[in-house]
Amino acid sequence: KAGVTQTPRYLIKTRGQQVTLSCSPISGHRSVSWYQQTPGQGLQFLFEYFSETQRNKGNFPGRFSGRQFSNSRSEMNVSTLELGDSALYLCASSKVDTQYFGPGTRLTVL
Amino acid sequence: AQTVTQSQPEMSVQEAETVTLSCTYDTSESDYYLFWYKQPPSRQMILVIRQEAYKQQNATENRFSVNFQKAAKSFSLKISDSQLGDAAMYFCAYRSASGNQFYFGTGTSLTVIP
Repeated sequence: KAGVTQTPRYLIKTRGQQVTLSCSPISGHRSVSWYQQTPGQGLQFLFEYFSETQRNKGNFPGRFSGRQFSNSRSEMNVSTLELGDSALYLCASSKVDTQYFGPGTRLTVL
Repeated sequence: AQTVTQSQPEMSVQEAETVTLSCTYDTSESDYYLFWYKQPPSRQMILVIRQEAYKQQNATENRFSVNFQKAAKSFSLKISDSQLGDAAMYFCAYRSASGNQFYFGTGTSLTVIP
């Protein structure tokens, strides 16, 4: 069974731009969660989607948004990028009680 | 919100030796799941082991085993016969059986010395 995939793997943007990251979960998994990982802040929960509905949300500004499609694929959008948004963005999918992670998207904001 | 604490930011172990990584958590719930994830330099988070709180038996996966002490809210990971490939950041995580959100610790960086 194929694992969680994330595209793109690497991204370079400039301040003020917006970016969209994509995540395809493991087949049959309906829950998708997003995390931001930085050296200083560790793993921070962004939001979780289940059956196209946002079920949980972390403490991030409204510039961070997401959505989930009927095939469970999810996208995360960050508008008006700031230097501090540079991070590894991890997506994880789950079917019942265990999360499986994708390889991440490394976002660099210049 | 539940909190997960990993008090050892860094650990090191000699190759072929055994090392134990510590994790404590705070919860008022009785039914939950605990996990250890490994993140090697490639940055891919890999599930190492999973424990169900209602099971008294400690989970084991090959060289990896846990010491789950429910009353003490402790969930340590023991790595036996350490190998160079075990070098990674290890994260402890908690998930309520009734909820959907995962809570992660800050991680322990493990170095394996040849």
